[in-house]
Amino acid sequence: DAKTTQPPSMDCAEGRAANLPCNHSTISGNEYVYWYRQIHSQGPQYIIHGLKNNETNEMASLIITEDRKSSTLILPHATLRDTAVYYCIVRAPWRAGKSTFGDGTTLTVKP
Amino acid sequence: EAGVAQSPRYKIIEKRQSVAFWCNPISGHATLYWYQQILGQGPKLLIQFQNNGVVDDSQLPKDRFSAERLKGVDSTLKIQPAKLEDSAVYLCASRKPGAGDETQYFGPGTRLLVL
Repeated sequence: DAKTTQPPSMDCAEGRAANLPCNHSTISGNEYVYWYRQIHSQGPQYIIHGLKNNETNEMASLIITEDRKSSTLILPHATLRDTAVYYCIVRAPWRAGKSTFGDGTTLTVKP
Repeated sequence: EAGVAQSPRYKIIEKRQSVAFWCNPISGHATLYWYQQILGQGPKLLIQFQNNGVVDDSQLPKDRFSAERLKGVDSTLKIQPAKLEDSAVYLCASRKPGAGDETQYFGPGTRLLVL
């Protein structure tokens, strides 16, 4: 799995968009970008993934730069319940479920 | 749909003792994983099962850790003997075989403290 770099922590005001960056400059052509989050005392939860096109689902949007060396997870209207550790993972799709989690970004949503 | 069940939720033991954790995956999820999460770090994969067969145990410390999934449903992870550095949360996850990460679900974990 390619290495990823994320800021250790970020704050966001409730109701505002939370933009979480991830650098993955060594990503290879067949590797996807996956995002998970882990709310305190719970197991990680899948959020979204993408290869090179921007993706959106009911939880978040994923923006991947054209050179694929970085990406941003966007939570459009953050709530207090979005406070969690967010993990950006880069790996091939055939390694489904076998994610190498880094230390992630602790997002704190404040009222 | 019931989620991934794990027990116990908490366990405190002394070093050199043995401990076992149990996981019941989501019905129909043939793929099962055990992860170890040390405080402040992301989860680390220990072992992956497909039905009752081991697919990947390359990161399992086999001198003290063992896992089984005899009937292809429930799974047990054992540590014998435990060391101080085994203090962590042990997470079980399951996934539909052949499907993507969006079908992978984690249990709440078992928090182990080794004194």
